[in-house]
Amino acid sequence: DAGVIQSPRHEVTEMGQEVTLRCKPISGHDYLFWYRQTMMRGLELLIYFNNNVPIDDSGMPEDRFSAKMPNASFSTLKIQPSEPRDSAVYFCASSLTPYGYTFGSGTRLTVV
Amino acid sequence: DAKTTQPTSMDCAEGRAANLPCNHSTISGNEYVYWYRQIHSQGPQYIIHGLKNNETNEMASLIITEDRKSSTLILPHATLRDTAVYYCIVRVAAGNNRKLIWGLGTSLAVNP
Repeated sequence: DAGVIQSPRHEVTEMGQEVTLRCKPISGHDYLFWYRQTMMRGLELLIYFNNNVPIDDSGMPEDRFSAKMPNASFSTLKIQPSEPRDSAVYFCASSLTPYGYTFGSGTRLTVV
Repeated sequence: DAKTTQPTSMDCAEGRAANLPCNHSTISGNEYVYWYRQIHSQGPQYIIHGLKNNETNEMASLIITEDRKSSTLILPHATLRDTAVYYCIVRVAAGNNRKLIWGLGTSLAVNP
């Protein structure tokens, strides 16, 4: 298995632009998570899905952020419009059991 | 807020055992202890979890005290590749709640 695949690995964009981050979970995993990591705040859970349905989006910072999971093999996290304070590493993770989550390599987002 | 307390940083000599402590004095009876680690620039990696009994796998051993208020992750023969931030997390492993609350972890430096 190729693991959790995220794209792009790096994204540099200008303030005000729309940014879309992509994630392909491990086949068969029924939970998908989006995290954000910064030096100041550490790892924060933004949203997670079970069987493609959003379960908890209380971590989504504001309406500029949205996430979708149109099918079991694909999810997107969109920021529109982007702001410099959105600069962070965004991780996607998936799991089948409650015990071990598998994380992707992350997308490093820089908003200038 | 994170329900665990860990030292900010630790050092270990290569080839020696690394013992990483974690305090979780408010743990509930149905909460598991999980350990993850994050090597620089990578996504977090699941290591091990336990409820009451000590656990061992190919990566590490987990020792949980009888009162369950603290635990220790043991890397029996640390290598330079074990240099990482180690996170101790507690959560209920049942039902639909898959939220992990991440603290700041322990930064382990394995020295040659």
